[in-house]
Amino acid sequence: GAGVSQSPSNKVTEKGKDVELRCDPISGHTALYWYRQSLGQGLEFLIYFQGNSAPDKSGLPSDRFSAERTGGSVSTLTIQRTQQEDSAVYLCASSVSGTTNYEQYFGPGTRLTVT
Amino acid sequence: AQSVAQPEDQVNVAEGNPLTVKCTYSVSGNPYLFWYVQYPNRGLQFLLKYITGDNLVKGSYGFEAEFNKSQTSFHLKKPSALVSDSALYFCAVRAHTGRRALTFGSGTRLQVQP
Repeated sequence: GAGVSQSPSNKVTEKGKDVELRCDPISGHTALYWYRQSLGQGLEFLIYFQGNSAPDKSGLPSDRFSAERTGGSVSTLTIQRTQQEDSAVYLCASSVSGTTNYEQYFGPGTRLTVT
Repeated sequence: AQSVAQPEDQVNVAEGNPLTVKCTYSVSGNPYLFWYVQYPNRGLQFLLKYITGDNLVKGSYGFEAEFNKSQTSFHLKKPSALVSDSALYFCAVRAHTGRRALTFGSGTRLQVQP
């Protein structure tokens, strides 16, 4: 079956512009996660959605970052007024449920470059 | 707070030899532990997980990992390495309660030489 998909695969933007990154989770998965992978570093948690519950936004690095999940499926991560330190690979993952021990399945990522 | 340490940035091993990629963790209470692999320009692929029960967990592609509670470790192992195993490996932890997101280590690059 189809895995997690993300678009675009690459995004180059100028400093100060806004960007939107999209994630399509695996059908039927109720939990959705966003992570950021900076060069030479591990994965950093950004935000987590579980069903209709309020999202866990504790990993968002600043108020320039926001995310929404419409209809319990597709999610969009928005970065406003991008900065060079926002350059990274943004990974989306989904799992059957976030409240149990199910593994997360990752998309291929969006590589964001801020010039 | 929870954390994961992968003490080796890179592990080099000859094809056919056994390999070990080290991971130690810190978490409140009992852990859920995971290993993921990342090939170049690809997302992370799930390898195996420890939830409860048998301390030796077997996963994809012949990999296994041993959970050691007293040493808070979850080392990844394979009896005989393949060149195609060369990739970036991440260990991750999550507590049974609290935040649902995984906390990842910084990754270990495995290089298998022919």
